[in-house]
Amino acid sequence: DIQMTQSPSSLSAFVGDRVTISCRASQSISTYLNWYQQKPGKPPKLLIYGASSLQNGVPPRFSGSGSGTDFTLTISSLQPEDFAAYYCQQSYYTPWTFGQGTTVEIK
Amino acid sequence: EVHLVESGGGLVQPGGSLRLSCAASGFTFSDHYMDWVRQAPGKGLEWVGRIRNIPNSYTTEYAASVKGRFTISRDNSKNSLYLQMNSLKIEDTAVYYCAREAASVDFDYWGQGTLVTVSS
Repeated sequence: DIQMTQSPSSLSAFVGDRVTISCRASQSISTYLNWYQQKPGKPPKLLIYGASSLQNGVPPRFSGSGSGTDFTLTISSLQPEDFAAYYCQQSYYTPWTFGQGTTVEIK
Repeated sequence: EVHLVESGGGLVQPGGSLRLSCAASGFTFSDHYMDWVRQAPGKGLEWVGRIRNIPNSYTTEYAASVKGRFTISRDNSKNSLYLQMNSLKIEDTAVYYCAREAASVDFDYWGQGTLVTVSS
């Protein structure tokens, strides 16, 4: 199975900060990498697919980059509604696997 | 608008069975692969399994943790997805989500989830 490792596990930031979350795969997955946002009590929401493609309706302050084993989710200017958990997920081959999550908290 | 609505969760004893349903609307259900993903209380996301569409003979795949105990099926005439869970274990306690697989192999729509609690 492909292991996905996110860092950091949690971070604190101010509104307006630039935030980056990293995700590393245990083997190369090309650009088969997706990012989700999850708020408490809600299902995950797709933000980025194919490592860098923005899902319809997602604000452009969210961006994704990377290929191979190392990927990054960037929020260019953190907004109050962005405080949530973020998960990466590989879609290179099954079993689909997720990172352990990164919680973004208010500083 | 795409909607996925899970039902069937509840409290069950270890070793018991439960069948979850997911009612889909707002898209051509038969065209899509569909998945189940679960989340234990306070934990991360875990893929449970998937079922392919008609051109791919409705074949299924499962996570190792549930293989042989869980069965995914679908009824395209009812726009419904199912998860039959047998021999339930305490560690199967989780919110179970159904999710639509997009062509780009991501989960572009999710249901609200249904809670399954396995406890004596």
